[in-house]
Amino acid sequence: GAGVSQSPSNKVTEKGKDVELRCDPISGHTALYWYRQSLGQGLEFLIYFQGNSAPDKSGLPSDRFSAERTGGSVSTLTIQRTQQEDSAVYLCASSLPRLAGDRETQYFGPGTRLLVL
Amino acid sequence: SQKIEQNSEALNIQEGKTATLTCNYTNYSPAYLQWYRQDPGRGPVFLLLIRENEKEKRKERLKVTFDTTLKQSLFHITASQPADSATYLCALTGAAGNKLTFGGGTRVLVKP
Repeated sequence: GAGVSQSPSNKVTEKGKDVELRCDPISGHTALYWYRQSLGQGLEFLIYFQGNSAPDKSGLPSDRFSAERTGGSVSTLTIQRTQQEDSAVYLCASSLPRLAGDRETQYFGPGTRLLVL
Repeated sequence: SQKIEQNSEALNIQEGKTATLTCNYTNYSPAYLQWYRQDPGRGPVFLLLIRENEKEKRKERLKVTFDTTLKQSLFHITASQPADSATYLCALTGAAGNKLTFGGGTRVLVKP
């Protein structure tokens, strides 16, 4: 079946502009995660959605970052007033429901490469 | 603060040999530990998961050990092949079982 998809694959924007990054998780996966991978850095957790529960936003670096998940499926990560330090690869992952046998495995999308000039 | 360390230096290894990667962590009590593979320009791909009450896990040519006393996991690729060349990431999860905390990854280059 189809894996996690993300769009756009690449995004170049000017400092101060807002950007929206989209993630389509695997069908049936109730958990969705956003991570950020900066050049030479490890993956950094941003936000986690699980079903209808309140999202875990503990990894969002500032209030310029927000995310929503509509209908328990597609998610959008929004970065307002982008800064050069926001340049990174933004990765989305999804996993099975909490009670599923393979719930710990996260399936990652290809990422969106964001460059803020 | 929580810290996960992987050898940041690339591991160069001859085809057919065993590659051994290390993941050390501090200030963390993980419920389980995972290893992922990441190729350039792609997202990480899950390889193996080992729980806190398990000592060793195998999958084909891969083997993972987990020592919660030493706070260390070892990841072995036996009979390595050039196709195994990639960056390997160690990731920990707490009892709540949601977000992954990743190490910086170790790049492996298998030479024919």
